Amino acid sequence: DIQMTQSPSTLSASVGDRVTITCRASQSISIYLAWYQQKPGKAPKLLIYDASNLESGVPSRFSGSGSGTEFTLTISSLQPDDFATYYCLQYVSSSPWTFGQGTKVEIK
Amino acid sequence: EVQLLESGGGLVQPGGSLRLSCEASGFTLSNYAMSWVRQAPGKGLERVSVISGPEATTYYIDSVKGRFTISRDNSKSTLYLQMNSLRAEDTALYYCAKGRNLGEWLMGSWGQGTLVTVAS
Repeated sequence: DIQMTQSPSTLSASVGDRVTITCRASQSISIYLAWYQQKPGKAPKLLIYDASNLESGVPSRFSGSGSGTEFTLTISSLQPDDFATYYCLQYVSSSPWTFGQGTKVEIK
Repeated sequence: EVQLLESGGGLVQPGGSLRLSCEASGFTLSNYAMSWVRQAPGKGLERVSVISGPEATTYYIDSVKGRFTISRDNSKSTLYLQMNSLRAEDTALYYCAKGRNLGEWLMGSWGQGTLVTVAS
């Protein structure tokens, strides 16, 4: 199975900060990478698909990049509503889909 | 508006069975891939099973193969997950999720989940 490693596990930041979360795949997954946001007690919300495509309705401060084995999620200017846990997901069809372990973005 | 409402969770003893339901509205269930994704308490996410759109191809992770069955009743617009021979490690919040678009398996819209607790 493809392993997904997110870093950092926890990130402390302030409103207005630029935040970057990294996800590394144990083998190439092309661009089959999505990012989800999850707030406590809520279901995950799709932010980014195909590594860099913004899901409809998601604020433009969110962006994704990467291909192959290394990917990033960037929040250009952190807002109060963005404090949450973020998960990457690889969805290569020939392999069981796997999520990263999550990155919790906390208030500094 | 897409809405997904899970039900059927609860406390069950090891070896027992449960059937989860996910009532869908705002779209035609049979046209979309539907997934069950679980999250153990305080842990990450794990996609357990998928049923594709019109062709109804099914997929399971290894740890639930032979124990869980995904199905749907298009007339009731309801997705199911029959869970047998439950184990403590199946304890989790179970979400149903709709494919992002026609023909896509990537989870777009999610329900709020139903909690399954396997304990004696």
